[in-house]
Amino acid sequence: EAGVTQFPSHSVIEKGQTVTLRCDPISGHDNLYWYRRVMGKEIKFLLHFVKESKQDESGMPNNRFLAERTGGTYSTLKVQPAELEDSGVYFCASSGGVYNEQFFGPGTRLTVL
Amino acid sequence: AQSVAQPEDQVNVAEGNPLTVKCTYSVSGNPYLFWYVQYPNRGLQFLLKYITGDNLVKGSYGFEAEFNKSQTSFHLKKPSALVSDSALYFCAVRVPGQGGKLIFGQGTELSVKP
Repeated sequence: EAGVTQFPSHSVIEKGQTVTLRCDPISGHDNLYWYRRVMGKEIKFLLHFVKESKQDESGMPNNRFLAERTGGTYSTLKVQPAELEDSGVYFCASSGGVYNEQFFGPGTRLTVL
Repeated sequence: AQSVAQPEDQVNVAEGNPLTVKCTYSVSGNPYLFWYVQYPNRGLQFLLKYITGDNLVKGSYGFEAEFNKSQTSFHLKKPSALVSDSALYFCAVRVPGQGGKLIFGQGTELSVKP
């Protein structure tokens, strides 16, 4: 069974540019989560999809971040325009049920110069 | 504010010795508790969890963790460390009634030397 995959693995962009991160969850997992880890600190929750609906987006830092999950399969997280403080590792996770174990992808390392 | 603390940025252990990675939490209610491990260039891997019941839970790769409600702690332990255990370890909690989101600690780098 394929695990959670994320693309790209690394992205280096300049301040003001736009970046789109993609996450493909484990097939059949309705729950999809985005987290990020900034500068070696704790991993912070961004948002939670159930199928294509946003169940909880309380962790989204501001309106420069837009997450979508059209069709309830893969998800994208767009940062527009990117700022220096957006640098970090963005993790995606999926689970079959809300209270089931979350399986994490390898992360996308975003560097904003 | 709800939070998880891992007081040690790094833990160094000699191979064969017991190891402990500490975790305390400050959340409302009775949280579910988790440990994840991240090896270089890999995603987080689930190690173990505590939901209810016996305070000592056993997980993957010989790891175990002890839940202590009075001290609000959930320390990760292993009786005999391996060099291959060297990795980044994260403690996390899920608060019942607040959906599936996990609240993580800042991580502890475990280094096991031969």
